[in-house]
Amino acid sequence: KAGVTQTPRYLIKTRGQQVTLSCSPISGHRSVSWYQQTPGQGLQFLFEYFSETQRNKGNFPGRFSGRQFSNSRSEMNVSTLELGDSALYLCASSLRTSDLGGEQFFGPGTRLTVL
Amino acid sequence: AQSVTQPDIHITVSEGASLELRCNYSYGATPYLFWYVQSPGQGLQLLLKYFSGDTLVQGIKGFEAEFKRSQSSFNLRKPSVHWSDAAEYFCAVGARENNDMRFGAGTRLTVKP
Repeated sequence: KAGVTQTPRYLIKTRGQQVTLSCSPISGHRSVSWYQQTPGQGLQFLFEYFSETQRNKGNFPGRFSGRQFSNSRSEMNVSTLELGDSALYLCASSLRTSDLGGEQFFGPGTRLTVL
Repeated sequence: AQSVTQPDIHITVSEGASLELRCNYSYGATPYLFWYVQSPGQGLQLLLKYFSGDTLVQGIKGFEAEFKRSQSSFNLRKPSVHWSDAAEYFCAVGARENNDMRFGAGTRLTVKP
């Protein structure tokens, strides 16, 4: 079974631009979670989507948003990029049920650099 | 919300020596507990997890961890470290009702030849 895939793997943007990252979960997984990893803040939870609905959200500004499609693929969007948004963005999928979390499988990440 | 503390930022051990990485969590109920490993520039690979049952959990690559509810700990151990174990290790706690997983700051492991 194919793992979690993320595209693109690397991205360079300038301040003020917006960016969209994509995540394809493991086949059959309906939950996709997004995390931001930086040297200073470590791994931080952004949000989770389950069956096309945002189920949970971390403490990030509204510039960070996401969505999930009917095939469970998910996109994350960051608008008005700031230098501090430079990070590794990780996506994880899980075989979650509607009321129970589960083991998460991580993709390789998208390395975003904001200049 | 749940939280995780990994007290050791960086640990150096000699190849063949034993290893213990510490993890303490805070959560009001019985948590899901995980250890992940991350090599430079890579995503996270799950080493082992605890959901319920036996408190001593066996994982991949010869790792094990023990859940101690009284100490709110989930320490990772390996009896004999290999040079390929050099990486960053993250402990994580998840709530049972959702996928809001909180990670510790990580422990970077260096293995001396």
